[in-house]
Amino acid sequence: SAVISQKPSRDICQRGTSLTIQCQVDSQVTMMFWYRQQPGQSLTLIATANQGSEATYESGFVIDKFPISRPNLTFSTLTVSNMSPEDSSIYLCSVGPETQYFGPGTRLLVL
Amino acid sequence: AQKVTQAQTEISVVEKEDVTLDCVYETRDTTYYLFWYKQPPSGELVFLIRRNSFDEQNEISGRYSWNFQKSTSSFNFTITASQVVDSAVYFCALSEFNTGGFKTIFGAGTRLFVKA
Repeated sequence: SAVISQKPSRDICQRGTSLTIQCQVDSQVTMMFWYRQQPGQSLTLIATANQGSEATYESGFVIDKFPISRPNLTFSTLTVSNMSPEDSSIYLCSVGPETQYFGPGTRLLVL
Repeated sequence: AQKVTQAQTEISVVEKEDVTLDCVYETRDTTYYLFWYKQPPSGELVFLIRRNSFDEQNEISGRYSWNFQKSTSSFNFTITASQVVDSAVYFCALSEFNTGGFKTIFGAGTRLFVKA
């Protein structure tokens, strides 16, 4: 399976600011995904990061709030914009397609 | 529509007991994948197993075993002789292929406590 790293591993941010999370894979992958895991909850898919085109967002998630880039087959970023305390979560990237392998996650606390 | 139900929110057992984690799914597709993931306190999600819809053979890996029954739409996970290191949240997941590619949804998770 691919080795996936995420930066930062954790951060504490002030409301109204933005944070960009990076996901790096050690091999080329066709599909990359971004998930949110709110405290004590399950995983919710934010979007599928498509290489060379706009991300595909799930219902309830919009590009203005969660812009995503995927410049190549090994790298993607997720930005959490204009943050509020409700954005405090673990953000995970994963790679697919059929079996998804996950990065270690980014723990975000918004004050 | 896809749905994954893990009715057990928390389970607590004593070390060396066997424990079964239940997973029931709903799908209209005939082709799909089922998964189990483990999330220990450190937070990373660890892939445990994948089963496709055409393979109902049960699987055993060490102390772990999985029972897939399409007739009851269930994919249950048993840990034999549990150990403290098995303490984690376990997620069952269902993946289907649609026009946008594979889409995976996760159950709510079952938190397993194994006491020494």
